[in-house]
Amino acid sequence: RKEVEQDPGPFNVPEGATVAFNCTYSNSASQSFFWYRQDCRKEPKLLMSVYSSGNEDGRFTAQLNRASQYISLLIRDSKLSDSATYLCVVNADQTGANNLFFGTGTRLTVIP
Amino acid sequence: DVKVTQSSRYLVKRTGEKVFLECVQDMDHENMFWYRQDPGLGLRLIYFSYDVKMKEKGDIPEGYSVSREKKERFSLILESASTNQTSMYLCASSFPQASGSPYSYNEQFFGPGTRLTVL
Repeated sequence: RKEVEQDPGPFNVPEGATVAFNCTYSNSASQSFFWYRQDCRKEPKLLMSVYSSGNEDGRFTAQLNRASQYISLLIRDSKLSDSATYLCVVNADQTGANNLFFGTGTRLTVIP
Repeated sequence: DVKVTQSSRYLVKRTGEKVFLECVQDMDHENMFWYRQDPGLGLRLIYFSYDVKMKEKGDIPEGYSVSREKKERFSLILESASTNQTSMYLCASSFPQASGSPYSYNEQFFGPGTRLTVL
């Protein structure tokens, strides 16, 4: 079983739409959760961390449900520039080495 | 601005060749990582290092070795390249988590990647 699983998509949505991505993780001891964004042929970059109470950054909202081991990312008012692959990332490392487990990514295309 | 650089963007090698992939970071990060990224499999950790001359195996270390002689540089070595090592290789670096605290995560910064093709 994979550490982190997410729907690969692709999600094709019109500009202005709201879109949500979901992700599940297998290790109940996981403590830190993140969404990274990866543009085509580019490296992943941190989009936002996910906190227990849920958090918002502009048009982006991240939610965490520890009981269900489930993470979500909501994008409101989609822009063309949001087109990318969104990686769900979990840190279950208790050693301090800062190791991350990555999902395979959900591809989003925002259509004019 | 954090910068992680990798020696090549594209590399083509033949089966059996020894391949060196170099990664340099300029942020004085203790931790450095090598991943490979394949369609449908996502990023998988090959090796990581939390200090000079220290290395730890990741999830898929077979067929690879690493070297960390200086803090800023982390090299990935394919001793005898094989076609199943054709992939995108990504290097990353970060500060370590605060000691004993899994909550104190430090962002991993990635290099641009090296697309390696083994013929």
